[in-house]
Amino acid sequence: DGGITQSPKYLFRKEGQNVTLSCEQNLNHDAMYWYRQDPGQGLRLIYYSQIVNDFQKGDIAEGYSVSREKKESFPLTVTSAQKNPTAFYLCASSTLAGVGEQYFGPGTRLTVT
Amino acid sequence: GDSVTQMEGPVTLSEEAFLTINCTYTATGYPSLFWYVQYPGEGLQLLLKATKADDKGSNKGFEATYRKETTSFHLEKGSVQVSDSAVYFCALSGRSGNTGKLIFGQGTTLQVKP
Repeated sequence: DGGITQSPKYLFRKEGQNVTLSCEQNLNHDAMYWYRQDPGQGLRLIYYSQIVNDFQKGDIAEGYSVSREKKESFPLTVTSAQKNPTAFYLCASSTLAGVGEQYFGPGTRLTVT
Repeated sequence: GDSVTQMEGPVTLSEEAFLTINCTYTATGYPSLFWYVQYPGEGLQLLLKATKADDKGSNKGFEATYRKETTSFHLEKGSVQVSDSAVYFCALSGRSGNTGKLIFGQGTTLQVKP
C-alpha cells in the first residue's frame, strides 16, 4: 500500500523543548511539503523540498527546520523559537510535474504547554 | 501574488439539498485549479481538478468548471449526503512565478443534517 505516514498522531511537549515530527512516503515522489493548519484557517506552507539535500522556505518558516537526507523522509523540527507551536501539522508529497496533486498524510496534532 | 478566496462557512444543508461553494482566484498566467476535501481529524484528499479554461472536473457527484472570464472554480453537488460533511479547500497551482507550490483558500466547512 503506497502512501504517507506521519507519526505520532498526537504529540505533547513542554514549552522550550524542540520536537521532531516524522513524515515518510513510499510513493517515490520527488517533492515533499510541510503545512501548518490552525482552527478555522487554511493551510500555510512551512517548508518544501523538490530533491534530496535541498529545500526551500515556505510562507511561515521561522521557528522551524527540516532535512531531506533521503527521498522517502522529510522530518520537521519545531524549535523553541517558534512562538506559537500548538497546531495541526500536515505532510504531503507529489511528483515534480504534478505539484497540484498532492498526497497528504493523516497529520500530527502538536500541543505545547 | 497568487491567491484564492472561498466563501465563508460554515455551510449547513439538509440531506439531498443542492450545494454550491464559491471559489475565486487571482493568478498570473494560466493556473491549474483543484478542490481538496478534509474529513474530521484527517489529512486532505484531492477531490477534483481542472487544468485549463472551460475544463470541468468531476468526482463522486461533485463538479467544478474552470471559468477564466470570471476567475472562478465553484464547487457544486446536486444532492448532498451526511457523509459529505467535511472541510473543502479550493487551491491553485501556478504555471509561472509560483511553481512548486499549491496556494490554498481558507477552507469552507460543510455540515449536512439528516
